[in-house]
Amino acid sequence: DIVMTQTPLSSPVTLGQPASFSCRSSQSLVHNNGDTYLSWLHQRPGQPPRLLIEKISNRFSGVPDRFSGSGAGTDFTLKISRVEAEDVGVYYCMQATLLPYTFGQGTKLEIK
Amino acid sequence: QVQLVESGGGVVQPGRSLRLSCAASGFTFSTYGMHWVRQAPGKGLEWVAVISYDGSNKYYTDSVKGRFTISRDNSKSTVYLQMNSLRAEDTAVYYCAKDYCQIWGQGTMVTVSS
Repeated sequence: DIVMTQTPLSSPVTLGQPASFSCRSSQSLVHNNGDTYLSWLHQRPGQPPRLLIEKISNRFSGVPDRFSGSGAGTDFTLKISRVEAEDVGVYYCMQATLLPYTFGQGTKLEIK
Repeated sequence: QVQLVESGGGVVQPGRSLRLSCAASGFTFSTYGMHWVRQAPGKGLEWVAVISYDGSNKYYTDSVKGRFTISRDNSKSTVYLQMNSLRAEDTAVYYCAKDYCQIWGQGTMVTVSS
């Protein structure tokens, strides 16, 4: 199985400041079809996860443009340009290139 | 709008069975693969199983192989998870998710306890 490793595990951020999360996979996430199925999800306390970014950098419907994704191969980054209060929660990376899908352990965003 | 609604969770004794359902609406259900993902209390996300759009292909995480069965009824726009021989470590919120986990339901809680 592909192992997804996220850093940091916790990220205290001041409102209005940027935040950045890293995700590394144990092997390349480039699919045979040339796409890279790396997604970012956000989960607020008591809520289901919500897709933010798919295929490294494609924002899902309704996701604000302060969220952006980048990376290639095995190293990926999610950035929030200016953190808002509603952004608190846990951010997960997920690979959907190979079954079984696997998730990172999550990075918790907290407001300072 | 696209919606997934899970049901069927509850408290069950170890070794017993439970069937979860996920009713879909707002999209052409029969053209998408569907997943089950679970989250133990206070823990991260664990992918459980997937079924192809027509039900011909299924895949499971190792820890549930031989115990859980995923199925679907496209006439009812519903995907199921039959869980047998339940263990304490199966205790979790179970979510269904559409396609590449783009859309998630609210989840249903399964507690395995004597």
